[in-house]
Amino acid sequence: AQKVTQAQTEISVVEKEDVTLDCVYETRDTTYYLFWYKQPPSGELVFLIRRNSFDEQNEISGRYSWNFQKSTSSFNFTITASQVVDSAVYFCALSEARSGGYQKVTFGTGTKLQVIP
Amino acid sequence: DAGVIQSPRHEVTEMGQEVTLRCKPISGHDYLFWYRQTMMRGLELLIYFNNNVPIDDSGMPEDRFSAKMPNASFSTLKIQPSEPRDSAVYFCASTLDTTYTEAFFGQGTRLTVV
Repeated sequence: AQKVTQAQTEISVVEKEDVTLDCVYETRDTTYYLFWYKQPPSGELVFLIRRNSFDEQNEISGRYSWNFQKSTSSFNFTITASQVVDSAVYFCALSEARSGGYQKVTFGTGTKLQVIP
Repeated sequence: DAGVIQSPRHEVTEMGQEVTLRCKPISGHDYLFWYRQTMMRGLELLIYFNNNVPIDDSGMPEDRFSAKMPNASFSTLKIQPSEPRDSAVYFCASTLDTTYTEAFFGQGTRLTVV
């Protein structure tokens, strides 16, 4: 069965600290995609990154970096030098192929990050 | 493009009343999704459309819920009759295609049924 686990419900850090948000997934498929979305206090979900199952290269985008390890079924997200604007709920999601070309997307329960000034 | 547009942003209604949520997807996107977000259950996919046709409605909780997409630029999610347990944030999202592309979400409709 398809499953995404974000064990950290809430995290608080002081501004400028680094923080890592964990994501562990389960799937039987060999081809799948992983996503991270950010949900700021305003409510909308904002896409951050997509990674396919064949690309285990880590990715860095500014202060954000992602570590994908198939061996541990993890896709962790690190924010370096956190800022107050990073305060949000972060969702990890897993997408698998289904008949008809549809991707079935399963979201984790989210991690609420609070960055304290 | 202005992004996915949902209306209303907030809706408060009494139990038993009909509620209609509206969504305008991004122009050119072939897929439209309705999600529900609650503290208890997180983000749940209710239904999705491809080219205005409902493909999978297995996530629709009950017959009280129905969704339509009369054209490529408009979709509705209706709850009739509404119940307090329907209180949640309802999101609409659209994607260009379903080949593992990211979804673009609207700002959501916060529904409160009293």
